[in-house]
Amino acid sequence: AQSVTQPDIHITVSEGASLELRCNYSYGATPYLFWYVQSPGQGLQLLLKYFSGDTLVQGIKGFEAEFKRSQSSFNLRKPSVHWSDAAEYFCAVGAEYGNKLVFGAGTILRVKS
Amino acid sequence: ETGVTQTPRHLVMGMTNKKSLKCEQHLGHNAMYWYKQSAKKPLELMFVYNFKEQTENNSVPSRFSPECPNSSHLFLHLHTLQPEDSALYLCASSQNAGYNEQFFGPGTRLTVL
Repeated sequence: AQSVTQPDIHITVSEGASLELRCNYSYGATPYLFWYVQSPGQGLQLLLKYFSGDTLVQGIKGFEAEFKRSQSSFNLRKPSVHWSDAAEYFCAVGAEYGNKLVFGAGTILRVKS
Repeated sequence: ETGVTQTPRHLVMGMTNKKSLKCEQHLGHNAMYWYKQSAKKPLELMFVYNFKEQTENNSVPSRFSPECPNSSHLFLHLHTLQPEDSALYLCASSQNAGYNEQFFGPGTRLTVL
């Protein structure tokens, strides 16, 4: 069975600084990997996804993530954070076949001015 | 605009009440999901429907009863709930059960008194 670990519960960065949110997964085969963002009181919005191919994936809102099979990681990055990026971020892994997504516990991002 | 709508957005109910949550997707998808999101816990998958058939019940108590009359609509019927059932209930849809990219609604914030 697949699992996801997001080691950081909270992260605080200054506006304009770079950001990296960590995600480690456990799955025996080729995973489908996702990053979602959730603003307070809202549902989850898909930022980006990795299914196959280029291991550096570009998403919406200037986010990117890199799949590293050797490290079982799929870290989310952004070169310059905006105050509107403050939210909770969830990494998720899906099996190659089947519909079950397993989510990490989430990382809350705070942006200070 | 996520294409997945949920009503009501907020619901307060007593332990003896019966209420229903409604989800509608406008994306032409064939699979729909109910998730429970509690504070400080990872997202929990509750039910999965694929082409109106329930394909997964993740050991959910019988006081939660799902209904999927067609591929566009999903309901969650609630009765004799407990205070610990207070949470954000999220609905999601995907193209089909073998395709992992899920689109989420804004959720229903449920409070059980």
